[in-house]
Amino acid sequence: DIQMTQSPSSLSASVGDRVSITCRASQGIRNGLGWYQQKPGKAPKRLIYAASSLQSGVPSRFSGSGSGTEFTLTISSLQPEDFATYYCLQYNSFPWTFGQGTKVEIK
Amino acid sequence: QVQLVESGGGVVQPGRSLRLSCEASGFNFRSHGMHWVRQAPGKGLEWVAIIWYDASNEYYVDPVKGRFTISRDNSKNTLYLQMNSLRAEDTAVYYCAREPPGGSLDVWGQGTTVTVSS
Repeated sequence: DIQMTQSPSSLSASVGDRVSITCRASQGIRNGLGWYQQKPGKAPKRLIYAASSLQSGVPSRFSGSGSGTEFTLTISSLQPEDFATYYCLQYNSFPWTFGQGTKVEIK
Repeated sequence: QVQLVESGGGVVQPGRSLRLSCEASGFNFRSHGMHWVRQAPGKGLEWVAIIWYDASNEYYVDPVKGRFTISRDNSKNTLYLQMNSLRAEDTAVYYCAREPPGGSLDVWGQGTTVTVSS
């Protein structure tokens, strides 16, 4: 199985900050990676697919990069509504696997 | 609008069974692979199972193999998860999700809660 190591597990940031979250795959997954945002009590919401494609309707301050084994989600200017938990998902091979999550909190 | 609605969750004793349903609307259900994902209380997301668009193939995460069965009825636009021999560690919110062309999961239901407890 492919292990997804996500870091950091949590971070504190201020509105307007640039924030980056990383996922490392235990083996190459090409560009089969998505990023999700989850708020308490809600279902996850897809932000990025195919490592760097922005989901329709998602603000352009979100971007994804990477290929192979290392991937990054960047929020260019953190907004109040972005405080949430973020997960990566590899879908290159079964079983699909999620990263452990990154909780983004207000500093 | 595109929507997935889960049902069937509840409180069940260890060793018993439960069947979850996920009713789809607003899109061509029979054209999409469908998945179940779960989230234990206070924990992260865990992918559980997939069924191909035509039910020709399935795949499961190891902890549920042999106990859970994913199925679908394309005439009813409904996805199912039959859960047998339930354990305390199966306690979670269960989400169904749609796989778009190219992969990943783009539409999610609101989730249904399963609690396994004596």
